[in-house]
Amino acid sequence: GAGVSQSPSNKVTEKGKDVELRCDPISGHTALYWYRQSLGQGLEFLIYFQGNSAPDKSGLPSDRFSAERTGGSVSTLTIQRTQQEDSAVYLCASSFAHGETQYFGPGTRLLVL
Amino acid sequence: RKEVEQDPGPFNVPEGATVAFNCTYSNSASQSFFWYRQDCRKEPKLLMSVYSSGNEDGRFTAQLNRASQYISLLIRDSKLSDSATYLCVVYDSWGKLQFGAGTQVVVTP
Repeated sequence: GAGVSQSPSNKVTEKGKDVELRCDPISGHTALYWYRQSLGQGLEFLIYFQGNSAPDKSGLPSDRFSAERTGGSVSTLTIQRTQQEDSAVYLCASSFAHGETQYFGPGTRLLVL
Repeated sequence: RKEVEQDPGPFNVPEGATVAFNCTYSNSASQSFFWYRQDCRKEPKLLMSVYSSGNEDGRFTAQLNRASQYISLLIRDSKLSDSATYLCVVYDSWGKLQFGAGTQVVVTP
């Protein structure tokens, strides 16, 4: 079956612009997670959605970052007024339920010039 | 102090040898534990879950030591393809997900 997909795979933008990153989770997975990974670093948790519950936004680094999940499926991570330090790989993962095995998408490589 | 800590390595391992490394966690009430592997410039992929009684999957053995609050991963008969970064994942009692920064393993011919 289809895995987690993310788009775009690569994104180059100018400082100050807004970007939207998309994640399509595995069908039927109720939990969806966003992470950020800078070059050579570990995963940094950003936000997760579980069913219809309020998302856990505790990992978002600033109010420039937001995410939504429409219809319990597709999720969009938005970064407003991008900064160079936002450059990283943004990974999305989904799981059947929170606490279970996560399956990762291939990531979006974001470069802010 | 980080919630989940790993020795970053690298662990340089001759092909065919055994390597083992640990991951320590700070929340004694943590519920679930996993090992993921991540290849360079790729996404993490589940290697194995870690069960209380310990579990084995082929050449890989995972152990949980609740008393000392660590999990371990042992790789026997290392293959060149085992070269990767191994990430420890812990779900704590509040449902918070914690990733370790990873342990790099380099298997050499």
